[in-house]
Amino acid sequence: ILNVEQSPQSLHVQEGDSTNFTCSFPSSNFYALHWYRWETAKSPEALFVMTLNGDEKKKGRISATLNTKEGYSYLYIKGSQPEDSATYLCAPWGQTGANNLFFGTGTRLTVIP
Amino acid sequence: DAGITQSPRYKITETGRQVTLMCHQTWSHSYMFWYRQDLGHGLRLIYYSAAADITDKGEVPDGYVVSRSKTENFPLTLESATRSQTSVYFCASSGRLPGDSTTDTQYFGPGTRLTVL
Repeated sequence: ILNVEQSPQSLHVQEGDSTNFTCSFPSSNFYALHWYRWETAKSPEALFVMTLNGDEKKKGRISATLNTKEGYSYLYIKGSQPEDSATYLCAPWGQTGANNLFFGTGTRLTVIP
Repeated sequence: DAGITQSPRYKITETGRQVTLMCHQTWSHSYMFWYRQDLGHGLRLIYYSAAADITDKGEVPDGYVVSRSKTENFPLTLESATRSQTSVYFCASSGRLPGDSTTDTQYFGPGTRLTVL
């Protein structure tokens, strides 16, 4: 089992604020990391897949960075909007193999209008 | 419609009964997965399948059985339901092993909320 930690567990921000959260994972045997966005009463949707140390991915106002040597990934949201309210999950892979994907418990973001 | 569907969306059953949750995808994805969502644990992998007739255990397989006779279907059976199996169950699929490509990832179904009384 891969120990995956996400912080903070939840946060509330005002509309227009920028925010970021962290996904921490063991740095040994790193293979890939997925970020998912999960809105209430819906199913998780993929945001990014990251594999290389130093990777940076961007989709609109959301971006992510990856540091495989120290075992963390940051997700940034610039100018948060109410529609960004969701739980953001990270899922690092310790090694190849479908049963080596472990999800963090997520960061629940609420953007207050 | 194309996509991944689950049925039923809601199910209430009693302890000891057998329950089967269905998952169907129209993309001909090779890989299919079953997860359960539990408070404090997030999503945990129950079983996965790499292709028809190939299945393997995930993190929490006890009490569950899967089969995959056709590529598009991946049913999950609780042979004798227990209260601890009350959860929301998500099915997912992917064309390739997630992580093998920087573009391929998992696509999740809408979930089945199962309550075991």
